Amino acid sequence: EAGVVQSPRYKIIEKKQPVAFWCNPISGHNTLYWYLQNLGQGPELLIRYENEEAVDDSQLPKDRFSAERLKGVDSTLKIQPAELGDSAVYLCASSSSSGYYNEQFFGPGTRLTVL
Amino acid sequence: KQEVTQIPAALSVPEGENLVLNCSFTDSAIYNLQWFRQDPGKGLTSLLLIQSSQREQTSGRLNASLDKSSGRSTLYIAASQPGDSATYLCAATGGGNKLTFGTGTQLKVEL
Repeated sequence: EAGVVQSPRYKIIEKKQPVAFWCNPISGHNTLYWYLQNLGQGPELLIRYENEEAVDDSQLPKDRFSAERLKGVDSTLKIQPAELGDSAVYLCASSSSSGYYNEQFFGPGTRLTVL
Repeated sequence: KQEVTQIPAALSVPEGENLVLNCSFTDSAIYNLQWFRQDPGKGLTSLLLIQSSQREQTSGRLNASLDKSSGRSTLYIAASQPGDSATYLCAATGGGNKLTFGTGTQLKVEL
C-alpha cells in the first residue's frame, strides 16, 4: 500500500514569491491534515479536511495561506506571498474516518527555504 | 489548551543500554497517546499508540506506558542500537482527532 505522497520534497524561493505544496493521501483515507514543523519543534496543525470540507482551519494564517481539496482526495497548500519566517517543513497526513481510533499516517514532508 | 513536554531534549547513550524517554501532558482528556520516530529529513513514523483506556503497548524492543491521571507517558527502549538514533516525538490526541506534539527527544546511540 502506497503511503502519503508529497511533492516537492524541497523548495527554495525568494521572499514575496508564491509557493504551493501538493499532497496525495493514502487511498480511501477521508481525512487529510496539513502540519507545519519548525526546526527543533513538533508539528503543529494548520488545517484538517473531512473529504473536501475544511473542518478545522483555526491555525491557518489566512492572510497568506490557503488550501484546497477540491475532489476530496489530493490537496494543495499555498503561501502567497512567502515570508522569511515561513521556512519550515510542511507535513501532510491522512487518516481513515472509520475505526475506534483514527491513526494518522504522515508523508515525508516538503522542506521550504525562503531567502 | 493542551501542552506536551518531552524530557530530555537530547540523549546520548552507548549501544546496548536500556533507556527511557519521558512525555508529559497538561490535559488528561485525551483519546490516545502516540509515539513517533522522525529521522533527519524524513516524515514521522508511528511507533506505538496507547488508547486512553490502556496502560501500555509493546512492539519488539519498545514499550510505551500511559498514566492519564498524572499526565505522563514513557517510551522504554531495550538494548538500544545505533539504528535507533532519531528524534522521538510524543503526541496527545484530543477532540477532532487533533494531535498536540511535544518538541521531541533527539536520541543518539553510539557504538
